[in-house]
Amino acid sequence: GAGVSQTPSNKVTEKGKYVELRCDPISGHTALYWYRQSLGQGPEFLIYFQGTGAADDSGLPNDRFFAVRPEGSVSTLKIQRTERGDSAVYLCASSFAPQGDEQFFGPGTRLTVL
Amino acid sequence: DAKTTQPNSMESNEEEPVHLPCNHSTISGTDYIHWYRQLPSQGPEYVIHGLTSNVNNRMASLAIAEDRKSSTLILHRATLRDAAVYYCILRDGGGSNYKLTFGKGTLLTVNP
Repeated sequence: GAGVSQTPSNKVTEKGKYVELRCDPISGHTALYWYRQSLGQGPEFLIYFQGTGAADDSGLPNDRFFAVRPEGSVSTLKIQRTERGDSAVYLCASSFAPQGDEQFFGPGTRLTVL
Repeated sequence: DAKTTQPNSMESNEEEPVHLPCNHSTISGTDYIHWYRQLPSQGPEYVIHGLTSNVNNRMASLAIAEDRKSSTLILHRATLRDAAVYYCILRDGGGSNYKLTFGKGTLLTVNP
């Protein structure tokens, strides 16, 4: 079956612009996670959705970052007024249930802010 | 979240066993030990997890110390496709948020 997909695979934008990153989780997975990975580091948690609601957004670095999951499936990570420091790979993962043993990760979106 | 300590890098030869260590001296009673790996230019991939007993699956084995303060991921016969960064993660099984807290992991190089 299809895994987690993320679009676009690469996004290049200019400082100050707005970007949206999309995640399509595995069908039927109720839990969805966003992570961010800088070069040479492990992924860093951003936000976790259980269904439509954000159960934990403690990892969002500031109020320029926002994420939604309006129908409990697809999620969009939105970044306003992008900064060069936002450049990273943004990873999405889903699991069947919050306590699911395994999180399935997508390939990520590489964001470059010039 | 409890912290784990792993070597920065390890090297192995193809078709030989590999033992990847992880220390987690502050592990709590409800923490599960999870291992993920990340191949170049891919998202992380689940490998195995356990609580107290040793675990085996098609990918690897997990050996957990009796005091649970350390564990070892065992790849029985390394292949070139096993070259990746391996992350040892403690995940709270008793909480309501199941986020993964990654460290820097161990970069495994497999020589042909």
